[in-house]
Order: sequence, then structure tokens, then C-alpha cells
Amino acid sequence: SAVISQKPSRDICQRGTSLTIQCQVDSQVTMMFWYRQQPGQSLTLIATANQGSEATYESGFVIDKFPISRPNLTFSTLTVSNMSPEDSSIYLCSVEAIPDTQYFGPGTRLTVL
Amino acid sequence: EDQVTQSPEALRLQEGESSSLNCSYTVSGLRGLFWYRQDPGKGPEFLFTLYSAGEEKEKERLKATLTKKESFLHITAPKPEDSATYLCAVQKDSSYKLIFGSGTRLLVRP
Repeated sequence: SAVISQKPSRDICQRGTSLTIQCQVDSQVTMMFWYRQQPGQSLTLIATANQGSEATYESGFVIDKFPISRPNLTFSTLTVSNMSPEDSSIYLCSVEAIPDTQYFGPGTRLTVL
Repeated sequence: EDQVTQSPEALRLQEGESSSLNCSYTVSGLRGLFWYRQDPGKGPEFLFTLYSAGEEKEKERLKATLTKKESFLHITAPKPEDSATYLCAVQKDSSYKLIFGSGTRLLVRP
């Protein structure tokens, strides 16, 4: 498995601002992912964070709204830009530490006022 | 369209009362089916991966099985600490993406 940490664990932000969420894993991994879990709903993949190249976004998610960085094999950031109350969610990073198995971080609970 | 449906949405059991959670899926080219447990305020915790029909995996009081259309998570003699939301997800051959169901909220009463 892998030990994954996220910062911040939670935040309350004002409409129109941006928040950057960090994800750190304790070992080098090729695949890192960002998911969103809206209130009362299940998880939806936002994008795959690729090391050394641009992230790959799922349908409905765009780079301008959710820019992602992946500077090395143990770290990634997700920025939620120009936030609105609809962005209030839990944001989770996951890694594929062993083939075909994704492990999740503890999540960042975001509330937008 | 790829789809994962979990039932029931919520389940209340008495301690020791065994039951099963269902995950039915419609996906072309299944690579694997995954079960996770999620406690309030935490990220999903990996439980099992199943790859082919007929496969079974066990961990303590939990046993996961897979057919061509659905998976079951059997809970034998549950304890209050088994209370959590159980999530099912599928992964297609062509993608790393996990497609999640909406989960089953399990409450085990002492």
C-alpha cells in the first residue's frame, strides 16, 4: 500500500477565490489521480496527473478550472480556481501503488461561501 | 453507457446479523471490480479487487464475490465497527479511471 497525505484537510473559502490542494505520497508512483466527492454523492474522477506532461482531464472538467501540477513522482497539486458554492466537495487524490489498485488520501473538505 | 448501481442505499443490522450488499454493473471490457470502505470524514480504504467471474476474496468478516453482471459483499456476523459506507467501483480495460457506485451505508447496532 501507500501512505498518502493531503493538505489542507479542510478549508472554507470565499466565492471567486482559488485554493491549491497538495497530495504527498511516501513512495514513488507513476499514476496519481484527483477525484471529487460532492455532498451525498460518490466519487468522480477529475483528472490523471502525469509526471512531466500535462494532466489528462475527464469529460466535464477543464484545465482552466482545475489546473494540476505533478513536479515529481511523489507529489501533486490540484487548484480549484474561481470558486463558487457548487465547488463545495471533498477532493481526494489517489495513487496506483501496486498494479490495478488505487489507494486514496484522506481528502480535503472544501466549503465555498 | 458504463454504470455501477449499488443496493440497498442503506442497511441497518443487529450485531451478528449476516447480510449481503449488491453491486451491479454495466461496462464493456471489465478490467477489475473494486470494493472500498469509507468512514465519515475519511478517504476510501481499499478492501478487494476481483478480476473474473467466479472469483472470491475474503478478509475477516467480509467476503466478496463476482459474476458477469454483479458483485456481492457478504458480511458475516457483523460488529458495530463494521459500520461504514461500502463503495463498489469498476475499471475498464482501456482506462485507469474508477467508476464508482453511490455506495451502501451500513449501520451495525450493538
